[in-house]
Amino acid sequence: EVQLVESGGGLVQPGRSLKLSCVASGFTFNNYWMTWIRQAPGKGLEWVASITNTGGSTYYPDSVKGRFTISRDNAKSTLYLQMNSLRSEDTATYYCTLKFDYWGQGVMVTVSS
Amino acid sequence: DVVMTQTPVSLPVSLGGQASISCRSSQSLVHSNGNTYLHWYLQKPGQSPQLLIYRVSNRFSGVPDRFSGSGSGTDFTLKISRVEPEDLGDYYCLQSTHFPYTFGAGTKLELK
Repeated sequence: EVQLVESGGGLVQPGRSLKLSCVASGFTFNNYWMTWIRQAPGKGLEWVASITNTGGSTYYPDSVKGRFTISRDNAKSTLYLQMNSLRSEDTATYYCTLKFDYWGQGVMVTVSS
Repeated sequence: DVVMTQTPVSLPVSLGGQASISCRSSQSLVHSNGNTYLHWYLQKPGQSPQLLIYRVSNRFSGVPDRFSGSGSGTDFTLKISRVEPEDLGDYYCLQSTHFPYTFGAGTKLELK
């Protein structure tokens, strides 16, 4: 059974940093692209970042490019999202996904002073 | 960016009835490899989104055959027949053909 468990969320001040983690199990982690998607409170879904199975390539929308970094540790079956220069508009639930097929339960990030 | 226009915003249905949701893209979703990466999700209240249909018309594992997807190019439809209580929630389409990947704004399926 595929399991994706996110952690690392919380309340952070604007301009500060936060790093999310997602521990994966139930599949061969290093065979698959992984993706982060977020959902602001009461809003729709937004793609945040994707990474190839080897970690050799990463992709971002303009809204987070240069501020967020997706990475992975295949030995630990863990996906990361380093978020720098956080803004209030980054407040959302962040989901870790296996390609786009399986989703974690999500972790809340609140950016506020 | 590819704009995904999803309609309607709200869809009142009766249990046992049928529902149809449309998703139109601002450009063709046919990838250079010939595949069309248009997917449908259901997000039940308080839960993570779950994949229903991938690549236009393929039901994901465990998804009942009451759900069907169709379409091509820029025009796609999700149909739900014999609506059951567990089908209520927010539906989203996603295109993963072109970067940046983009979602439709969502359709709330609710009881009439």
